[in-house]
Amino acid sequence: GQQVMQIPQYQHVQEGEDFTTYCNSSTTLSNIQWYKQRPGGHPVFLIQLVKSGEVKKQKRLTFQFGEAKKNSSLHITATQTTDVGTYFCAGHEGNAGNMLTFGGGTRLMVKP
Amino acid sequence: GAGVSQSPSNKVTEKGKDVELRCDPISGHTALYWYRQSLGQGLEFLIYFQGNSAPDKSGLPSDRFSAERTGGSVSTLTIQRTQQEDSAVYLCASSYRDPGSYEQYFGPGTRLTVT
Repeated sequence: GQQVMQIPQYQHVQEGEDFTTYCNSSTTLSNIQWYKQRPGGHPVFLIQLVKSGEVKKQKRLTFQFGEAKKNSSLHITATQTTDVGTYFCAGHEGNAGNMLTFGGGTRLMVKP
Repeated sequence: GAGVSQSPSNKVTEKGKDVELRCDPISGHTALYWYRQSLGQGLEFLIYFQGNSAPDKSGLPSDRFSAERTGGSVSTLTIQRTQQEDSAVYLCASSYRDPGSYEQYFGPGTRLTVT
C-alpha cells in the first residue's frame, strides 16, 4: 500500500532560522495536503498542492510539489515561536474513494 | 458554522471495560475518518466512511475496535475490553465528498486513558 514518509522527525531551531520538512511518497500522488498541529491541539489544514512542480506561498511558508508528484516540501523562512507544532503532509493517490495517507509528521521546536 | 465535535473530551476507564466515542461531523460532509494519536506520535488511521459505501476498516488494530456511522452523519467508535495500550487521543475528521480533493476538518479529539 501507499506509504508517506516525512523527515526529519524532530527539528530544533533558533528563532529567526529557517526550517524545512520533506515528504516522500512510495507512489505517485494526485495531490498532497499539509496540516499543522499545535501542541495540545488538533491538525489544521494549511494548503493543498495539485500540479506537478507547483509552488505556493503563505507569508513565510513555501510549499512545493515535486515534478514527479512523489515528494513535497514545506519551508519556513525566519521561524517564529508561533510556528511551533507538528507539520504533517498527507498524500492522495487520486482514485475515487481513496483515503489520504498521512506522513509521520515533523515536530518543530523554536528557541526564542 | 459548527465544526466537527467529539464527545467526551476526556474518558478514563478501567482495563477491560467497553467505551464509546462519538463524532459529529460537519453537516453535508460525506467522508468521515477516525484516527488514533499516541503522545508525541503521528496519526494512525483507523477507519474511513465515505457516503453509503462500505467503510474501509483496514486500520482497525484488532477486533475489539468497531465503528458505525448512522444515517451518514454521526459516528461512534467502540472499543471493547479496553487495554492500557489503547490509551491515546482519538481524532475524528470529516471532509466534503472525496477526501483526497477536499481538506479534512478535525475535531478536538477524545483523550482516552485506560487504567
